[in-house]
Amino acid sequence: GAGVSQSPRYKVAKRGQDVALRCDPISGHVSLFWYQQALGQGPEFLTYFQNEAQLDKSGLPSDRFFAERPEGSVSTLKIQRTQQEDSAVYLCASSLPRKETQYFGPGTRLLVL
Amino acid sequence: RKEVEQDPGPFNVPEGATVAFNCTYSNSASQSFFWYRQDCRKEPKLLMSVYSSGNEDGRFTAQLNRASQYISLLIRDSKLSDSATYLCVVIRLGGFKTIFGAGTRLFVKA
Repeated sequence: GAGVSQSPRYKVAKRGQDVALRCDPISGHVSLFWYQQALGQGPEFLTYFQNEAQLDKSGLPSDRFFAERPEGSVSTLKIQRTQQEDSAVYLCASSLPRKETQYFGPGTRLLVL
Repeated sequence: RKEVEQDPGPFNVPEGATVAFNCTYSNSASQSFFWYRQDCRKEPKLLMSVYSSGNEDGRFTAQLNRASQYISLLIRDSKLSDSATYLCVVIRLGGFKTIFGAGTRLFVKA
């Protein structure tokens, strides 16, 4: 079956630009996570949704980062006024209700120049 | 100090070797533990869950020591295809805040 998909796969932005990253979770997966992975590091938790409810956004690094999942399926991570330190791979993961195994998408590689 | 710490390696081992990775976590309210594998420029994938009783999946054995807040992964009879980064993962009580270690890189050589 289809896995988690993310788009775009690669994004180059000029410093100060706004970007929007999309995640399509596996159908039926209630839980959705966003992570930021810098080179040579493990993924860092950004935010978590259960259906459309954003239950934890404690990992978002600044108020320039915003995530939404309005209908409980597709999610968008938006970064406003991008900075060079935002350059990273942004990973999305989803999981079934009451299951902890997370299935990851391929990620979006963001480069801010 | 990071909440989940791993030896970054790299570990360079010959095929057939046994290799062990360790991980420590600092938040005693952690409830669930996993090892994920990440190949170069790919997404992480679940390798196995980790339980206090220990669990084994083929050549892989994982162990949890809650008292010492320590997690281990043992790989026996290493294959070339085991070359990857192994990520120690802890989920906090409450069931969703997921903390990854920085990963341990393994290279298995012929």
